[in-house]
Amino acid sequence: TQLLEQSPQFLSIQEGENLTVYCNSSSVFSSLQWYRQEPGEGPVLLVTVVTGGEVKKLKRLTFQFGDARKDSSLHITAAQPGDTGLYLCAGDSSWGKLQFGAGTQVVVTP
Amino acid sequence: DAGVIQSPRHEVTEMGQEVTLRCKPISGHNSLFWYRQTMMRGLELLIYFNNNVPIDDSGMPEDRFSAKMPNASFSTLKIQPSEPRDSAVYFCASVGQMSGEQFFGPGTRLTVL
Repeated sequence: TQLLEQSPQFLSIQEGENLTVYCNSSSVFSSLQWYRQEPGEGPVLLVTVVTGGEVKKLKRLTFQFGDARKDSSLHITAAQPGDTGLYLCAGDSSWGKLQFGAGTQVVVTP
Repeated sequence: DAGVIQSPRHEVTEMGQEVTLRCKPISGHNSLFWYRQTMMRGLELLIYFNNNVPIDDSGMPEDRFSAKMPNASFSTLKIQPSEPRDSAVYFCASVGQMSGEQFFGPGTRLTVL
């Protein structure tokens, strides 16, 4: 079983601060996805990274895939209360079958 | 467009009862996944179907769990008999053939007393 470890498990910050969430594995993934989940809802895809070293930006969110395609990070600049949620990374080892990390709960207070 | 539809949204039942969870994937999607989410174990893949055929059921906890996909627009996950440790949120997700994005339903929160 390929394990994805996310850190930290919980992050509470003030509005306007920056934060980084990490996703690490000892295994190589063909691609890695980041999802955000809000209470009472299913996860929603934010981004998919495929190429080692790839960096993708989605407004204030920056996603990076490690050169060896084993790890990834999500950086949020100037966090807002609307960024509050559970952030999940998921590795795709065989097409379509995802291995999810345990998630990082982010709370942004006004 | 309607997303993935799951029913019921909430289910409370007593230990030993049969529970059936339902999922309608997005029209045109050809892969369907069933997940279970708990605080302790996070999001776990139970089973997935491709073109209505079960491909990998290695995540199904035990024989009490079964899943079917009789056609492209409907799937069920059944637990018989249910136990308190089955309490969790169960999600269904579907994927289109050309996209790797999984679209999740809103989930069914199951409580087994």
